[in-house]
Amino acid sequence: GAGVSQTPSNKVTEKGKYVELRCDPISGHTALYWYRQSLGQGPEFLIYFQGTGAADDSGLPNDRFFAVRPEGSVSTLKIQRTERGDSAVYLCASSWGGRSPLHFGNGTRLTVT
Amino acid sequence: GESVGLHLPTLSVQEGDNSIINCAYSNSASDYFIWYKQESGKGPQFIIDIRSNMDKRQGQRVTVLLNKTVKHLSLQIAATQPGDSAVYFCAENELEGGNNRLAFGKGNQVVVIP
Repeated sequence: GAGVSQTPSNKVTEKGKYVELRCDPISGHTALYWYRQSLGQGPEFLIYFQGTGAADDSGLPNDRFFAVRPEGSVSTLKIQRTERGDSAVYLCASSWGGRSPLHFGNGTRLTVT
Repeated sequence: GESVGLHLPTLSVQEGDNSIINCAYSNSASDYFIWYKQESGKGPQFIIDIRSNMDKRQGQRVTVLLNKTVKHLSLQIAATQPGDSAVYFCAENELEGGNNRLAFGKGNQVVVIP
């Protein structure tokens, strides 16, 4: 079946602009996660949704970052006033919840110029 | 695309040999562990998981060993193939408190020599 889909695959934006990154999880998965991965590093946790609500947003670096999942399926990660330090690959993952493996998409590579 | 393996520990292995990748974890409360494989330009791909009530679990060509005493995890790949070339991450998860976030290690790059 279809895996986790993320769009766009690449996004180049200018410093100070607003961006939205989209994630379509595996159908039926109740849990959805956003991670950020810098070059040569492992993924770093940003936020976790169980259903529509953010169960844990402690990984968001500051209030420029926000994520929603209004209908418990598709999620959007929103970044305001982008900075060059926001450049990274943003990964989305979904799972059945509980102690089940996370299934990742291929990520959105964000470059802030 | 960019490599995810820059500046990572690298294991070079001859095709057909066995590979062993090691991971130390720091949180003694962690009780669920997963190994992921990541190829350049792709997201992490699930390989195998293990819960803390086990010390060994086998999959297809892969075995994960867990030593809770020294907080060490290893992934063994049998008969390594060129397609196994990738960066491998271990990840840990705490069971208590309902926290479902995974914490990833820094990764190890495996290069298979044909």
